[in-house]
Amino acid sequence: AQKVTQAQTEISVVEKEDVTLDCVYETRDTTYYLFWYKQPPSGELVFLIRRNSFDEQNEISGRYSWNFQKSTSSFNFTITASQVVDSAVYFCALSEAPASGGSYIPTFGRGTSLIVHP
Amino acid sequence: AAGVIQSPRHLIKEKRETATLKCYPIPRHDTVYWYQQGPGQDPQFLISFYEKMQSDKGSIPDRFSAQQFSDYHSELNMSSLELGDSALYFCASSLEGVGTGYTFGSGTRLTVV
Repeated sequence: AQKVTQAQTEISVVEKEDVTLDCVYETRDTTYYLFWYKQPPSGELVFLIRRNSFDEQNEISGRYSWNFQKSTSSFNFTITASQVVDSAVYFCALSEAPASGGSYIPTFGRGTSLIVHP
Repeated sequence: AAGVIQSPRHLIKEKRETATLKCYPIPRHDTVYWYQQGPGQDPQFLISFYEKMQSDKGSIPDRFSAQQFSDYHSELNMSSLELGDSALYFCASSLEGVGTGYTFGSGTRLTVV
């Protein structure tokens, strides 16, 4: 079984603040993938990052950074100097190696709604 | 770059009617996934296809069926629609093995009245 927990339902910040979105996952597999997606008010799911379980290197992309810690089963997402356009729901997702004949199926967390005020 | 195309973007149906949602994956992607996202909910996996064969099944109601055609596009058929079927329906595509991750379409917003 796999499970993704995003304990923060909603976060409200003022522009230029840094904000961290938490993601904790559960899996018994040693091979798995973690993802973050952004869902703006328009509704589409925008891919942000994919990380496999063998790569614990943290990643930075502009104002976005991700901290993957297998020891705590966490894959947290930080936005530096937040902007109003960052306002969206952010989903963390996990997919495990499939059973024979199956596919990797992403399971999503409940999402964190980020509101950035001007 | 080509993305996942879903049609229609919006659909309004009455209870007990049927609906067909279409998904055109990214060229050369061999796996298609369907998800349902209710209001304020996370996307829930419905069904997936790999090389035109059903590969996995999630929480898809018996009233729903899906298939993937020879050109790799997929259709989700929904019959005897209920009010609770109102949701955003996403299609995603990938290359088997997650090497390229999952690319989602913009979704079809279905409203059942």
